[in-house]
Amino acid sequence: DGGITQSPKYLFRKEGQNVTLSCEQNLNHDAMYWYRQDPGQGLRLIYYSQIVNDFQKGDIAEGYSVSREKKESFPLTVTSAQKNPTAFYLCASSFLPGQRNYEQYFGPGTRLTVT
Amino acid sequence: DQQVKQNSPSLSVQEGRISILNCDYTNSMFDYFLWYKKYPAEGPTFLISISSIKDKNEDGRFTVFLNKSAKHLSLHIVPSQPGDSAVYFCAAMNSGTYKYIFGTGTRLKVLA
Repeated sequence: DGGITQSPKYLFRKEGQNVTLSCEQNLNHDAMYWYRQDPGQGLRLIYYSQIVNDFQKGDIAEGYSVSREKKESFPLTVTSAQKNPTAFYLCASSFLPGQRNYEQYFGPGTRLTVT
Repeated sequence: DQQVKQNSPSLSVQEGRISILNCDYTNSMFDYFLWYKKYPAEGPTFLISISSIKDKNEDGRFTVFLNKSAKHLSLHIVPSQPGDSAVYFCAAMNSGTYKYIFGTGTRLKVLA
């Protein structure tokens, strides 16, 4: 079965700790994305990557870091510098424009709670 | 500066009637538009899309209309079913940037 997996589904951390959220896809997509969802604010782009070993900041990248060492994987680290880390985090992937269709496919999300 | 806006946070429709969800955008460089459906605590699922070279795309009960001059798109669901109750997001992209910009969502409730 092709798809995107995110783990864990729920994550709890103490303030001041870094935490890494996992995202893996087996859809052979070149592009991968991280979004954050807060109530009433829709999906906001954190980071995205079109190719291995390259990524760009989205609209709210401060306090986050990513890596793209493999095509299938795009982990997101929420650092202690992120002021409001509690949120629902969504990973997505897609073909690049011109390759095929433009749809993004989303993982099931990770709910991060920092206390 | 919100480039993609969904001005109606919620919408209630009777089962069997038409649901119309609206979305406005400001960036004329957007050339592809998508609609997603989302249930709580789950990732969005793709519904339907439209390229800027078209003004209508249909897939079963779902139709998306694009009015480029007004920078407006809408999603029509006919007939609406209780299972359609969810949050609907519109998204826009500029194929040159690979970035998708999402609206804030509209919560649709279909009443049985």
